[in-house]
Amino acid sequence: EVKLLESGGGLVQPGGSLRLSCAASGFTFSSYAMSWVRQAPGKGLQWVSAISASGGGTYYADSVKGRFTISRDNSENTLYLQMNSLRAEDTAVYYCAKGVMTTRTYNWFDPWGQGTLVTVSS
Amino acid sequence: EIVLTQSPGTLSLSPGERVTLSCRASQSVSSSYLAWYQQKPGQAPRVLIYGASSRATGIPDRFSGSGSGTDFTLTISRLEPEDFAVYYCQQYGSSPTFGGGTKVEIK
Repeated sequence: EVKLLESGGGLVQPGGSLRLSCAASGFTFSSYAMSWVRQAPGKGLQWVSAISASGGGTYYADSVKGRFTISRDNSENTLYLQMNSLRAEDTAVYYCAKGVMTTRTYNWFDPWGQGTLVTVSS
Repeated sequence: EIVLTQSPGTLSLSPGERVTLSCRASQSVSSSYLAWYQQKPGQAPRVLIYGASSRATGIPDRFSGSGSGTDFTLTISRLEPEDFAVYYCQQYGSSPTFGGGTKVEIK
């Protein structure tokens, strides 16, 4: 069974940093692109960032470019999101999601993790 | 960035009814790279349809997708009680974007 388990969320002050992790199991992690998608409280879904299967390609939404860094450790089957210079508008549940098409980094997602809540507030 | 507009925002329906949800793109979605997701309160989204019209594994055949270019549709042929949820479309032909969602609620 494919499983994705996020961790690392919490309360952080504006301007602070946080690192999210996503532990993957049940599939060959190094063969699939991965993404982070967030959902602000009561709002819709917003794609945040994607990383290619090898980790050689990284992509970001304009709203987080220059502040967030996506990375992966294929030996540990783990995806990361380093979030710096956090703002109130970054408050959301952050989901990691597995891409399905092995030939593309931009992908549809299946499955999703259960999400981890990041709250940016003083 | 491709903007996806979903309509209507909310639908109030009864079990057994047929549902048609719309997703319109601001520019053509390449190769029909469009997916539909269902999300229930407190849960992560679940994929229903990919490639505009292919059902994901385990999805009942009452769910169907159609469309190409800029206009896409998700149809639920007969609403079951477990289908009341929020539905999102997503394009992945370019930098991924999601529609704002359509809530299907019990009338």
